[in-house]
Amino acid sequence: GAVVSQHPSRVICKSGTSVKIECRSLDFQATTMFWYRQFPKQSLMLMATSNEGSKATYEQGVEKDKFLINHASLTLSTLTVTSAHPEDSSFYICSASGQTNSPLHFGNGTRLTVT
Amino acid sequence: DAKTTQPNSMESNEEEPVHLPCNHSTISGTDYIHWYRQLPSQGPEYVIHGLTSNVNNRMASLAIAEDRKSSTLILHRATLRDAAVYYCILRDSLMNRDDKIIFGKGTRLHILP
Repeated sequence: GAVVSQHPSRVICKSGTSVKIECRSLDFQATTMFWYRQFPKQSLMLMATSNEGSKATYEQGVEKDKFLINHASLTLSTLTVTSAHPEDSSFYICSASGQTNSPLHFGNGTRLTVT
Repeated sequence: DAKTTQPNSMESNEEEPVHLPCNHSTISGTDYIHWYRQLPSQGPEYVIHGLTSNVNNRMASLAIAEDRKSSTLILHRATLRDAAVYYCILRDSLMNRDDKIIFGKGTRLHILP
């Protein structure tokens, strides 16, 4: 089946540094990618939707200058958390999809800890 | 806001069928009904999706109400490995730039040995 590779799976960084998370669709072309964050015991919260070659659409309350999303190709999207702070510590998950009537395929998530 | 509502949690005995309900009363004619499940510290996993007709695959069955305002995910014979949070979501099949997938709180399924 379709596979989405997300890495790193776990990252610890110091406050004020930036962290880049990659999301790759391995065997299909992802016209749309979604980025979510998830706090313990909570559901996935949509951060932004990105279409290849276009600027990402951010959800209300998500700072676009802090969470930089690049979807430069049909197989790769990146999320960069800039100037990370402890409150940015969370589980970040990407999802990729081909056509809108096809399933979503999720990465295994990135556990970010900011010290 | 999520367009689906599900019970917070359900319990079932191992090797028995499980019926997980989902209400989506504001569903539009072009919305597909998707089900995903998530194990702890992992990304969600696709289970099944459908539009109008009931669907079967190796993991589960999806029963869609005739008015499409509700659906039920059926696990025919639950195992301990089926313990997870199950999410029912809607996705518009129209190609548009407003495509977004909003997750509700899901149903935490407990399987009793």
